[in-house]
Amino acid sequence: EVQLVESGGGLVQPGGSLRLSCAASGFTLSSNWVNWVRQVPGKGLEWVSRINGDGSTTHYADSVKGRFTISRDNAKNTLYLQMNSLRAEDTAVYFCARDKSWGELTYWGQGTLVTVSS
Amino acid sequence: DIVMTQSPDSLAVSLGERATINCKSSQSLLYGSNNKNYLGWYQQKPGQPPKLLIYWASARESGVPDRFSGSGSGTDFTLTISSLQAEDVALYYCQQYYSTPWTFGQGTKVEIK
Repeated sequence: EVQLVESGGGLVQPGGSLRLSCAASGFTLSSNWVNWVRQVPGKGLEWVSRINGDGSTTHYADSVKGRFTISRDNAKNTLYLQMNSLRAEDTAVYFCARDKSWGELTYWGQGTLVTVSS
Repeated sequence: DIVMTQSPDSLAVSLGERATINCKSSQSLLYGSNNKNYLGWYQQKPGQPPKLLIYWASARESGVPDRFSGSGSGTDFTLTISSLQAEDVALYYCQQYYSTPWTFGQGTKVEIK
């Protein structure tokens, strides 16, 4: 069974840092692009970042470019999101999601809540 | 960025009746070299992650009931639930994956009348 499990969320002060993890099971992470998507509670979905199978290509939303870094450790079958210089507007549930082939987000984790507040 | 606009924001439909959700993109999602529309539809229930229903605008994801169908091409797309069931009450989102940043519509809330 394909499963994605996020962890690492929590409360952090503005300007602080946090690293999210997404552990994959039931499939090899290196075989697909994977993404981070976030959702402010009660609001819509915002795509954040994506990375290809070998980690050589990444893309970011303008809202996080230069502050967030996506990476993967294929040996651990785990995806990461390093979030620096956090702002109140980064408060959201962060989901990891795997492409079906190109951009269709077919498998999702349950999400981890990040709260940026003083 | 490609802007995705859904209509309506919410709709109430009687059980067994048809529900139709529209999605319009600010530019064409049809890739000429493969004749595919880079458009997906998702269902999200409270406390759950989104679930992929439709991809390539009209391909149904494995396990999705056949009462869900997608249509359209270019900039105008539709998700149809042919006979609404109680378990279909949810938020529905369209998403373009033609070019990054991937973008989503604002969501359409489907309720029972």
